Amino acid sequence: DGGITQSPKYLFRKEGQNVTLSCEQNLNHDAMYWYRQDPGQGLRLIYYSQIVNDFQKGDIAEGYSVSREKKESFPLTVTSAQKNPTAFYLCASSLGTSGGNEQFFGPGTRLTVL
Amino acid sequence: QKEVEQNSGPLSVPEGAIASLNCTYSDRGSQSFFWYRQYSGKSPELIMSIYSNGDKEDGRFTAQLNKASQYVSLLIRDSQPSDSATYLCAVRRSADALNFGKGTSLLVTP
Repeated sequence: DGGITQSPKYLFRKEGQNVTLSCEQNLNHDAMYWYRQDPGQGLRLIYYSQIVNDFQKGDIAEGYSVSREKKESFPLTVTSAQKNPTAFYLCASSLGTSGGNEQFFGPGTRLTVL
Repeated sequence: QKEVEQNSGPLSVPEGAIASLNCTYSDRGSQSFFWYRQYSGKSPELIMSIYSNGDKEDGRFTAQLNKASQYVSLLIRDSQPSDSATYLCAVRRSADALNFGKGTSLLVTP
């Protein structure tokens, strides 16, 4: 059963802690993305990766870090430097530059800072 | 920053009617356009993609693109209460990523 999985579904973090959000896909997609959604807002791009061992900053990368060591995995770390991390985090994937860029989303992780 | 604009709504239509959702974008060079549906508390689900001027139909959904006017729309025929959701317009930006509008909330009343 192909798809994108994100874990955990809900995450609570104390101020000053780093947390890592998991994103895995078995669609054999080259490109992966992280977006953040705040209430009543559109999706904002945090980081994206078009190929293993390479990634680029999006519009709001400050306070976040990523890695892409495997094609199917693109974890996002929310660091203590991120001033307002409470949000809904969405991971997506697509075939990449040759595929028209239809992006498919995972179920999301809802992060709350206590 | 390239902009994607949508009316936030809510747009209220009676069951069985046609719902019309609109989106404008600022980057005249954009080539790829997408509509996503997002239910409350859930992640976005791709409904339609459109790349050429004109209409593209898929079941009850029709996407319309007018690149000269920088305008893309989504029509939902025979609207059902289950269509009640927020609809996100997305436009491809450079290097594969998408710019999203803030979404239009649709309410289909029985």
